[in-house]
Amino acid sequence: DAGVIQSPRHEVTEMGQEVTLRCKPISGHNSLFWYRQTMMRGLELLIYFNNNVPIDDSGMPEDRFSAKMPNASFSTLKIQPSEPRDSAVYFCASSLGQGAAGYTFGSGTRLTVV
Amino acid sequence: AQSVTQPDIHITVSEGASLELRCNYSYGATPYLFWYVQSPGQGLQLLLKYFSGDTLVQGIKGFEAEFKRSQSSFNLRKPSVHWSDAAEYFCAVGNNAGNMLTFGGGTRLMVKP
Repeated sequence: DAGVIQSPRHEVTEMGQEVTLRCKPISGHNSLFWYRQTMMRGLELLIYFNNNVPIDDSGMPEDRFSAKMPNASFSTLKIQPSEPRDSAVYFCASSLGQGAAGYTFGSGTRLTVV
Repeated sequence: AQSVTQPDIHITVSEGASLELRCNYSYGATPYLFWYVQSPGQGLQLLLKYFSGDTLVQGIKGFEAEFKRSQSSFNLRKPSVHWSDAAEYFCAVGNNAGNMLTFGGGTRLMVKP
């Protein structure tokens, strides 16, 4: 298995632009999580899906952030418009069942908004 | 609400020395506990987990952790550290379904030659 695949690995964009981060979970995993990691705030859960349905999006910072999971093998996290304070590493993770086996993380997308 | 505290932000040990990273959790019921390691530029990798049973759990890369309910702790240990163990380590607690993991702030381990 190729693991959780995220793209792009790095993204540099200008303030105000739309940014889309992509995630392909491990085949057969039915829970998917989006995290944001910064020096100041550590790892923050943004949203998680179970069986493609958003279960908890209370961590999404504001309306500029949106996430979708149109099918079991693909999810996107979109920021529109982007701001410099959105600069962070964004991780996607997936798990089987409700996560009791532990998450498998992707390698992350490092986003820089200038 | 569940929470995790990793009291040590940075730890430096000499190669070959023993290691213990501290983790304290807060959770009302029996917790699901995890340790992850993050190498620079990489995602988090699961080292070990505890759900129930034997309170001493073995993980990958020679790591082990001990669950102590009375102390609300789940400390990570390794008897002899290797230079390749330099990384950031995260403790996490999950609810009774194991989802919605809450992560600690991490401990950055540096290894002296």
